[in-house]
Amino acid sequence: AQSVTQLGSHVSVSEGALVLLRCNYSSSVPPYLFWYVQYPNQGLQLLLKYTTGATLVKGINGFEAEFKKSETSFHLTKPSAHMSDAAEYFCAVSDRSGGFKTIFGAGTRLFVKA
Amino acid sequence: GAGVSQTPSNKVTEKGKYVELRCDPISGHTALYWYRQSLGQGPEFLIYFQGTGAADDSGLPNDRFFAVRPEGSVSTLKIQRTERGDSAVYLCASSNHHRDSATEAFFGQGTRLTVV
Repeated sequence: AQSVTQLGSHVSVSEGALVLLRCNYSSSVPPYLFWYVQYPNQGLQLLLKYTTGATLVKGINGFEAEFKKSETSFHLTKPSAHMSDAAEYFCAVSDRSGGFKTIFGAGTRLFVKA
Repeated sequence: GAGVSQTPSNKVTEKGKYVELRCDPISGHTALYWYRQSLGQGPEFLIYFQGTGAADDSGLPNDRFFAVRPEGSVSTLKIQRTERGDSAVYLCASSNHHRDSATEAFFGQGTRLTVV
C-alpha cells in the first residue's frame, strides 16, 4: 500500500526566504510523485511531477522538487517566496504498476509574511 | 468544456436523504476520479473510472456510495441515506493517460456537501 506523509501542517516564511515543504512517501513499487497547489476557493492545480529520469524536477512558479529514493522523499522548494505563494500544498503518490489511484498527503498550508 | 465542471457547487441536504453529485470531465479524457476532502485533510480517493467501467472502487467507504459513468463521459456520484459524517467537499478529476504514463489529472472546483 502507498502512503504520503507531509511534515508540518503549517509553514510560515518571510517574503524572499527559502520555501521548503517536506514530503515522504511509502511505496512498494517505483512511484509517480506529484505536488499540487490549492489556492483559496480554487481547485487543485499540478505544480510538478516526477515519473522517470532526472530526479530534480522543475515546475511552475519557480518551484522544484528532488526525488531521493534512498530517503523516500520528494521535498518541494522555492528559493525566494512571494506573497502569492500562500496556499495549501499537497504531495501525492501514484502506483505506476497498476491502476492510477493517487494518494494524497494531508497538506501543508504555506503562509508568507511581508 | 474548458475544464472539469462539477454541479452543484454547494448542496445542503437533510440526514437520511439521497443526493447525486455530477461531474463533467474534460472532453476526450478517458480517466475520471472521485475524491472526498474533509476539512483540514488531503483528498481521499473514492473511485476511478477508465472509460465506462470502474477500474478501482476500493475507496468507496460503504455501500451507501455508488458512482456511474454510463457513456464514458459524465459521471454521477450517488450517496444514499446521507449521514452528517458525509459532509465534505467532493472533488472530481479527469485525465487522458495511458498505462505507464503519468499524465496530469485536472480537478474541478468540487461540490461542498453539507448534511444537516
